[in-house]
Amino acid sequence: EPEVTQTPSHQVTQMGQEVILRCVPISNHLYFYWYRQILGQKVEFLVSFYNNEISEKSEIFDDQFSVERPDGSNFTLKIRSTKLEDSAMYFCASRGQGYVSQPQHFGDGTRLSIL
Amino acid sequence: KQEVTQIPAALSVPEGENLVLNCSFTDSAIYNLQWFRQDPGKGLTSLLLIQSSQREQTSGRLNASLDKSSGRSTLYIAASQPGDSATYLCAVNQAGTALIFGKGTTLSVSS
Repeated sequence: EPEVTQTPSHQVTQMGQEVILRCVPISNHLYFYWYRQILGQKVEFLVSFYNNEISEKSEIFDDQFSVERPDGSNFTLKIRSTKLEDSAMYFCASRGQGYVSQPQHFGDGTRLSIL
Repeated sequence: KQEVTQIPAALSVPEGENLVLNCSFTDSAIYNLQWFRQDPGKGLTSLLLIQSSQREQTSGRLNASLDKSSGRSTLYIAASQPGDSATYLCAVNQAGTALIFGKGTTLSVSS
């Protein structure tokens, strides 16, 4: 069964450094998402992306965050200057398009640790 | 603002028992509702999706129901097995984009 893949599985970064998290969505999907889960807390929506532009973003997704689909397969999340509170599990998800809404499929996540 | 609550937060049952996990949401104007399974340190596996016009969905030993007017959904697991041990998350979709999650119910099935 097709799946969403994320790399790396674990990223350790010094505070203030830039980090790029990578995702390969399911190949025929058109909608892409990033979520995060701080340890012990709910999964929170960050941003959705469709037709090469952001379609929705949350309050968390401030100017330090950006997303990009640099080619036909990858979808990336960049954090420009990381803070301690950015430490979390980051999940990428994708969804297909259809008359009836389709489920979002999630990757295994990238654990981001900011030191 | 939509809030999703899952009760109980944790549940322990012996193998073979049937069980029900509950999810409630404050705004009934939802597009669909999705149930996920999350194993420790892992991603989210989609279990069932119920459209707002549907009352239930079934997949194997899992049955999810939706009562949109009362803001409730249940996930029924029949004949539970130790391999069902995981955290189960409920998420609602209000406008076709972002999912809003509950905190989950952590299920432990003992053999």
